[in-house]
This record gives sequence, structure tokens and C-alpha cells, in this order.
Amino acid sequence: DAGVIQSPRHEVTEMGQEVTLRCKPISGHNSLFWYRQTMMRGLELLIYFNNNVPIDDSGMPEDRFSAKMPNASFSTLKIQPSEPRDSAVYFCASSDFSSYNEQFFGPGTRLTVL
Amino acid sequence: SQQGEEDPQALSIQEGENATMNCSYKTSINNLQWYRQNSGRGLVHLILIRSNEREKHSGRLRVTLDTSKKSSSLLITASRAADTASYFCATVDSSYKLIFGSGTRLLVRP
Repeated sequence: DAGVIQSPRHEVTEMGQEVTLRCKPISGHNSLFWYRQTMMRGLELLIYFNNNVPIDDSGMPEDRFSAKMPNASFSTLKIQPSEPRDSAVYFCASSDFSSYNEQFFGPGTRLTVL
Repeated sequence: SQQGEEDPQALSIQEGENATMNCSYKTSINNLQWYRQNSGRGLVHLILIRSNEREKHSGRLRVTLDTSKKSSSLLITASRAADTASYFCATVDSSYKLIFGSGTRLLVRP
């Protein structure tokens, strides 16, 4: 298995632009998580899905952030409009929900908003 | 707010020495997990200890859990330069969410 795949690996954009981050979870995993990591705030859970359904989005910072999971093999995290304070590394992780198992992390997307 | 808090924030040791990192948390948990993150990379799961377990081993790793004190420790024995990384504890409660601590940065000097 190729593991969790994220794209792009790096994104540089200007303030106000729309940013879309993509994630392909490990095949067979039914839970998917989006995290954000910054020096100031550490690793924060933004939202997670179980069987493609959003379960908890309480970590989503504000309405500018949205996430979708149209099927079991794909998820997106969108920021519109982007702001400099959104600059961070965004990680996607997947796991087998049923047994509180370990989460498998993707390599992350480093986002820089100028 | 973060559930787990690691101590120390940074640790520098000589290759071959043991490294001990501690984690404290606030609420009841289902299990506690430790992850490693190399610079610029994603997190890698190291070990999981359930709330009814007190100690667990995996290779050079030893994890303890004291639910009465709401604390855990990670011991890396005979450290190697390749162990240089950040180490995070993460707690899982009944909501299935992983809540990460702030991490310990470990430097193993050759």
C-alpha cells in the first residue's frame, strides 16, 4: 500500500485566493482526519469523517474552511479566501475507526499564504 | 485545548544513553498513543497503550501508563542518532479523536 497520499506537497498562494488540499486515505480505512500544525498552536484536529460522513468539525477555524469526502478514497480541504494566518502544514490521516487504532499520516501539505 | 502535555519540551542526549519523555493529560481516556515526527515529515505511530494496561514494550521502546496520575512515559533505550525527532503523546477518549500534546524535541548526539 502507498500509504496516505496528499497533494500538493507545497502550495504558495496570495491572500484572498482559494486553496484546495487533497487526500487519498489508505484503502480499507473508514476514518479520515484533517490536522493543522503550526509552531504556535501545535497539532490541531480540524475535522474528521467516518464512512465519508463528517462527525466532528468543531476544530474548523471559521467558515472560510470547508471539507468534503465524496467517496471512501478521496477528501478535500478548502480554504476560501485564504489569509496569511492560514500558513501551516496540513496533514491528512486515516485509520480503521472500529478499534481506536493508530492513525496513519500523510506527508503533509505545506501552505504559505503571502 | 490540548489534552496531553509533554515534558521536557526539549532533550539532548549522547548516543547510547536512554531518553525518557513524560506526558500528562486531563480527562479519562480509552488509550494513549505515542508518535514520532521527523523534521518536515508526517507523524509515525510508535506504540499504543490501553487504559487497562500499565506497561508495554516494543523493541527499544517502553511505555508506562498511570491512569491515577493521568500520566505516561516513553523510554527509548540505547538511543541512536536516527532517533532524533519530535515525539508526541496523543490521547483517545470515547469520541475517537486523537488529541495531541505539544511534543518533546529529542536530539541524539553522535
